[in-house]
Amino acid sequence: EIVLTQSPGTLSLSPGERATLSCRASQSVSRSYLAWYQQKPGQAPRLLIYGVSSRATGIPDRFSGSGSGTDFTLTISRLEPEDFAVYYCQQYGTSPTFGQGTKVEIK
Amino acid sequence: QEQLQESGPGLVKPSETLSLTCTVSGGSISSYYWSWIRQPPGKRLEWIGYIHYSGSTNYNPSLKSRVTISVDTSKNLFSLILSSVTAADTAVYYCARGPGRLDYWGQGTLVTVSS
Repeated sequence: EIVLTQSPGTLSLSPGERATLSCRASQSVSRSYLAWYQQKPGQAPRLLIYGVSSRATGIPDRFSGSGSGTDFTLTISRLEPEDFAVYYCQQYGTSPTFGQGTKVEIK
Repeated sequence: QEQLQESGPGLVKPSETLSLTCTVSGGSISSYYWSWIRQPPGKRLEWIGYIHYSGSTNYNPSLKSRVTISVDTSKNLFSLILSSVTAADTAVYYCARGPGRLDYWGQGTLVTVSS
């Protein structure tokens, strides 16, 4: 099983600031099968990024993904009020797994 | 645009069987893969397994001995059965479209395992 470790656990930022979230895998993620989701309280996760860097339908371009192998990053260029949420990375090889999440909170 | 809706009992007794259904509307269940995911309170998401509309499946190895996912294309739904449940199976259970990247999700349903 590929274990995903996200850092930091919590990110305290102000609207307009840049957010950088990290996801590290215990072994190389095959075929760039790495996705990012946003989850707000009481809601289902929403797909943001797949294939490391492809934005899902309707996702604004302030969200971007990068990385390869075992190290991946989600960047939110300028935080909007609606972006404060929990973010999960996921590898979706043969047996998908999720990271433990990074909470982006208002400073 | 597809919509997914989970349904089933919110309370299951220990050692019994959890059964949930996911009804897909706004599109056909055919031609896609469909997944079940769960999230225990305060914990990370856990992939349970997925099924292709043809019936082929892939399960999380840690749950494989207790999980069955099935599909009914005539009713546009797929189902989850989890046997011999314990308190550790208490979670919000989600259904979603996809084998890996999950682009449409149900709202989730809380299942509590308790006597």
